[in-house]
Amino acid sequence: NAGVTQTPKFQVLKTGQSMTLQCAQDMNHEYMSWYRQDPGMGLRLIHYSVGAGITDQGEVPNGYNVSRSTTEDFPLRLLSAAPSQTSVYFCASSLTGTSTYEQYFGPGTRLTVT
Amino acid sequence: GDSVTQMEGPVTLSEEAFLTINCTYTATGYPSLFWYVQYPGEGLQLLLKATKADDKGSNKGFEATYRKETTSFHLEKGSVQVSDSAVYFCALSVGGNEKLTFGTGTRLTIIP
Repeated sequence: NAGVTQTPKFQVLKTGQSMTLQCAQDMNHEYMSWYRQDPGMGLRLIHYSVGAGITDQGEVPNGYNVSRSTTEDFPLRLLSAAPSQTSVYFCASSLTGTSTYEQYFGPGTRLTVT
Repeated sequence: GDSVTQMEGPVTLSEEAFLTINCTYTATGYPSLFWYVQYPGEGLQLLLKATKADDKGSNKGFEATYRKETTSFHLEKGSVQVSDSAVYFCALSVGGNEKLTFGTGTRLTIIP
């Protein structure tokens, strides 16, 4: 199993550009989520999905879109990048139905918006 | 809302020293509690967890006890190694909800 994979590892965008961060998992997990990690703020939940076709907002959803057309993939779209979106982005997945299942994290995407 | 307060870092210790990283929480329901670890350049990995009061989670020599009366889940290790250098995150989730609420993280550096 590859686990949770994310691409790209690094990305530099100019303000106003759009891009998609890719996330895939091969563990047949129903639950997937996106977090951003900023210095001194820990990880904050952006969007999450409890299964294909179902998504919902987390703590900091503004400026980001998601969709979940398959169990395996959960892309995160930045529609018009802003410097405030400079961060490290982590995708995670887990089994669902109880809060005690381990969440598996990808290696992260470091995004810089200039 | 739910929140996690973690000991401010960074923390620097000598090899074989005793480690404590404090974590307290506020939750609207009955939370499950977790410690995640992030090694340099990697994503987070689950270190240990506890799902009910007085449970002790343990892994790789680390331990944490779920204390409902003090709303705490402090991480301890009796003798740290250089390989324990990482960022440690305390987190909670509530009532069948997979969403995790994280603390701000504590960077730990162990010097030989």
